[in-house]
Amino acid sequence: AQSVTQLDSQVPVFEEAPVELRCNYSSSVSVYLFWYVQYPNQGLQLLLKYLSGSTLVKGINGFEAEFNKSQTSFHLRKPSVHISDTAEYFCAVILAAGNKLTFGGGTRVLVKP
Amino acid sequence: NAGVTQTPKFQVLKTGQSMTLQCAQDMNHNSMYWYRQDPGMGLRLIYYSASEGTTDKGEVPNGYNVSRLNKREFSLRLESAAPSQTSVYFCASSERGQGAANEQFFGPGTRLTVL
Repeated sequence: AQSVTQLDSQVPVFEEAPVELRCNYSSSVSVYLFWYVQYPNQGLQLLLKYLSGSTLVKGINGFEAEFNKSQTSFHLRKPSVHISDTAEYFCAVILAAGNKLTFGGGTRVLVKP
Repeated sequence: NAGVTQTPKFQVLKTGQSMTLQCAQDMNHNSMYWYRQDPGMGLRLIYYSASEGTTDKGEVPNGYNVSRLNKREFSLRLESAAPSQTSVYFCASSERGQGAANEQFFGPGTRLTVL
């Protein structure tokens, strides 16, 4: 079965600084990868996803992620964060032939002025 | 287009009480899901319905039952609530479940406390 590890439970960062959220997965077969964001007291919404092709994926709100098959990683980055990026971020994986998402434990990002 | 809606938003139960969480989607999606969210554990799948008329267990199904009432609605029932079921519950839907990495759309959640 697949699993997802988000290495940082909390990441404090100053406004306009860059941020990287780390995600590693384990699976012996092909997977698709996702990043979701959850703003306070809301449901999750999709930031970006990797299905195939270019390993650098661009998403909404200036986020991007890079798929690294050899390191089984899918780290999320933003070059300059805003206060409004304060949220919890979840990495998720699904088997290419599957129908169930597996989520990581989440990373809380707190953007400080 | 409301997307995925859930009722109620908040609920407090006593141990042993029962309740049903309601979920509806207006995107004509085939697949629907129920998750629970607990601190540090991400979201864990309770049950899912790949299509109307079918339901399957997820990672943590014990203590729950589901009903796919029609294509739009997917309810989650707690027959005898326990404090361990205190959590935030999310419903989600996707166009189809099998492969193709369909995006899941999430409702706003139900915050349940069992005393």
